[in-house]
Amino acid sequence: SAVISQKPSRDICQRGTSLTIQCQVDSQVTMMFWYRQQPGQSLTLIATANQGSEATYESGFVIDKFPISRPNLTFSTLTVSNMSPEDSSIYLCSVEGTGSYQETQYFGPGTRLLVL
Amino acid sequence: QKEVEQNSGPLSVPEGAIASLNCTYSDRGSQSFFWYRQYSGKSPELIMFIYSNGDKEDGRFTAQLNKASQYVSLLIRDSQPSDSATYLCAVIKGANSKLTFGKGITLSVRP
Repeated sequence: SAVISQKPSRDICQRGTSLTIQCQVDSQVTMMFWYRQQPGQSLTLIATANQGSEATYESGFVIDKFPISRPNLTFSTLTVSNMSPEDSSIYLCSVEGTGSYQETQYFGPGTRLLVL
Repeated sequence: QKEVEQNSGPLSVPEGAIASLNCTYSDRGSQSFFWYRQYSGKSPELIMFIYSNGDKEDGRFTAQLNKASQYVSLLIRDSQPSDSATYLCAVIKGANSKLTFGKGITLSVRP
C-alpha cells in the first residue's frame, strides 16, 4: 500500500480562522478522499478529489466551508474555513489501492483539530 | 435503517477466545466489504476485504459474507490483547462509489 503523510498532525485553532491540511502520497493515485471523524464517531466522507477536476462533495459538505485542491497525482489539500468548535475533529485523507486492490482505501495518519 | 450497522458494543473476550464481530448493510446492491481496525488515537488500518459469498481467511482473521442475509462478519481466533481496538465495517456499492462506514465496535481482549 501507498505511504501517506499528513500535515499538520494536530493543531489548536481559534474560531473564525482557517486551517489547511496537506496530504502527500509516495505514489501517483487517481482518487483521493477526505474524511472527518468526530469524537467517538465513525468516519464520514467529506469529498472525493480527482486530479484535474473539481472535488465532489457529499451531502452536508460545501466547497465554501471545505475547499479542496488537487494539483497533481500525489498531493491534495483540505481547508477548513471559518472554523467553529463544531469543526473539532480528526481529518483523514485516504487513497485508493492499486490493481486488484483498487476498491480498497488506505488512510493517512490524520490531523487532529481542536477549535476553541 | 442505517446503511451499515454494527451490533452495539463494547465487546469483551478473554485472551485466546474467538471474537465475533457482526455487520449488516441495507443496500442489496453492495458489492465490496471491508474490515478496518482502529487503535485509539490512530487512523484506520485495513484488515480484510471480501467480495464473494462465503469465508475468506487470513491468519487469525476470517471474514464471512452472506449477501442473501446482507451481513458480513469478522472472526478473530486466538484473540490477543493487541487485538483490542475499534473495528469498523465498511461497504462499497459499486465501482467508484463511496466507502460507507459503520459506527464501529470496540473490542477488548482481557489477558
